[in-house]
Amino acid sequence: EEQLVESGGGLVQPGGSLRLSCAASGFTFSSYSMNWIRQAPGKGPEWIAYIGSLSNTIYYADSVKGRFTVSRDDANKMMYLQMHSVRAEDTAVYYCTRDPVMGGLDVWGQGTTVTVSS
Amino acid sequence: IQMTQSPPSLSAVVGDRVNMTCRASQDIRGDLGWYQQKPGKAPKLLIYATSNLQSGVPSRFSGTGSGTDFTLTIRRLQPEDFATYYCLQDFSFPYTFGRGTRLEIK
Repeated sequence: EEQLVESGGGLVQPGGSLRLSCAASGFTFSSYSMNWIRQAPGKGPEWIAYIGSLSNTIYYADSVKGRFTVSRDDANKMMYLQMHSVRAEDTAVYYCTRDPVMGGLDVWGQGTTVTVSS
Repeated sequence: IQMTQSPPSLSAVVGDRVNMTCRASQDIRGDLGWYQQKPGKAPKLLIYATSNLQSGVPSRFSGTGSGTDFTLTIRRLQPEDFATYYCLQDFSFPYTFGRGTRLEIK
């Protein structure tokens, strides 16, 4: 079964840091581009980061550029989101998603919740 | 690219046919997907590249469109279809979602 499992969420103070992880299984992780999507409470989803296969292409939403860093470890089938200088508006459920060439984000994790609060 | 999704909400009964639309602020060459989300769950891909049905998704879901205008149609609504639906353009970065259509039971 193709699966993504996020972890690392929790409560963090404004200005703090957190690293989210996404573990992939059931497919050839290195062959796929990946994304991080987040969803604030009561809001729609928001795309925040993309990393291509081989880490050759990376894009960020303006809302996180300069504060968040996406990376991947193909040997261990992992993707990461390093979050720095977090703000209250970063409070959300964070999902990792697979991004196949044919289009659509076809595999999603269950999400990990980040709460930014003092 | 801005995605304008309408209507924001829709009331229907089991067995109805419903349509919802997304309009892109520029040509997205058909790179448009539709997602279903139920409370507390991750979004689920229904349709990719305008009209391609994702594996395992019932055939009562269909997508059409081109250029800037896209439509998701659900025929013969089932109880499990009541949810929120989002479109997403994956033509260019930043990827952008519509604001959603909440499909409610009338």
